[in-house]
Amino acid sequence: SAVISQKPSRDICQRGTSLTIQCQVDSQVTMMFWYRQQPGQSLTLIATANQGSEATYESGFVIDKFPISRPNLTFSTLTVSNMSPEDSSIYLCSVEEENRGQGNTQYFGPGTRLTVL
Amino acid sequence: GQNIDQPTEMTATEGAIVQINCTYQTSGFNGLFWYQQHAGEAPTFLSYNVLDGLEEKGRFSSFLSRSKGYSYLLLKELQMKDSASYLCAGLDSNYQLIWGAGTKLIIKP
Repeated sequence: SAVISQKPSRDICQRGTSLTIQCQVDSQVTMMFWYRQQPGQSLTLIATANQGSEATYESGFVIDKFPISRPNLTFSTLTVSNMSPEDSSIYLCSVEEENRGQGNTQYFGPGTRLTVL
Repeated sequence: GQNIDQPTEMTATEGAIVQINCTYQTSGFNGLFWYQQHAGEAPTFLSYNVLDGLEEKGRFSSFLSRSKGYSYLLLKELQMKDSASYLCAGLDSNYQLIWGAGTKLIIKP
């Protein structure tokens, strides 16, 4: 499976500031996803990022708050803008790979643990 | 609406067997995934079922019944390192993953 890295691994930020999270994959992938997981909660999809097109946002998430870039097939960024304590969460990047007999499986990066004060 | 139900928490003994159940309601169905997530870490892929029946992978097996909208993950010969959350996720007709909240499995010696 693809090897996925994220930077930063964790950060503590002040209210009103912005943080950009980077996701790097060691192979070219078409589909990249950004998730949020709040403590004790399920994964929530923020948006799907495809290279060469605008990201597709899920209900409850907007581009102004979570701008996404996807400049090539191995890299994406998610920015959490104008942060508030409610944005404290783990942010996860994932990629989709076709595996014979395994469906289009999603593999996850290590996550970015964000705390907003 | 779309929904994935699984127990919030289960406890089992080292060396024993545990079955984690998952029921799903999705708009269309393109498969059922199980992921393992250790505390503070990202989910890791365990299994994928799209046809009815049991898929075995070493100590872990996953079962699917499409007519019942039901799956389970079976863990045998439990080890302390199996203590984790187990996430069930259904793939809907748009190939979007619908995630359950996860089952926290506690292994006791």
